Amino acid sequence: EAGVVQSPRYKIIEKKQPVAFWCNPISGHNTLYWYLQNLGQGPELLIRYENEEAVDDSQLPKDRFSAERLKGVDSTLKIQPAELGDSAVYLCASSLGGLGETQYFGPGTRLLVL
Amino acid sequence: AQSVSQHNHHVILSEAASLELGCNYSYGGTVNLFWYVQYPGQHLQLLLKYFSGDPLVKGIKGFEAEFIKSKFSFNLRKPSVQWSDTAEYFCAVKEGSQGNLIFGKGTKLSVKP
Repeated sequence: EAGVVQSPRYKIIEKKQPVAFWCNPISGHNTLYWYLQNLGQGPELLIRYENEEAVDDSQLPKDRFSAERLKGVDSTLKIQPAELGDSAVYLCASSLGGLGETQYFGPGTRLLVL
Repeated sequence: AQSVSQHNHHVILSEAASLELGCNYSYGGTVNLFWYVQYPGQHLQLLLKYFSGDPLVKGIKGFEAEFIKSKFSFNLRKPSVQWSDTAEYFCAVKEGSQGNLIFGKGTKLSVKP
């Protein structure tokens, strides 16, 4: 079974530029998560989707971050414009959904903003 | 707000030594508890989880964890570590059945051959 796929794996951009990350969850997984992981920290949830609906985006900085999950499968996370402090690893995870489900993580996209 | 504390930032052990990594959380209600591991260059993987029942949970690769409700703890243990256990270990807690996963800051384990 293929795992969660993310691209790109690495991205270097200059501040104020836009950037987008893509995630393809495990087939059949209805719930998709985007996490931010800063150096030396654990992952922090940015947004959670149930199918195509964003059910929790309370931690997403909506002035510069946006996300979509059209058709309830793939998802894209965008930052526009990027700031120096956005340098981090952006993780995507998916789960089947339901009580106590396990989240499966992708390899992440490491972003460096110069 | 829910918080998860991992007491050790970096643990260095020799092979065959015993391991215990601490994890405490702040939520007083029903929780689901997880330990994830991230080997060098790899993605986060589930090591073990606790939802209900026997508080002593066995995971992959000889790891186990014990849920002690009165202490709000879910410590990870392994009787004899191997060099291949070198990785970063994250404790995570989920409030109830529908809450979001809250991670600790992680503990880096280095095992000397």
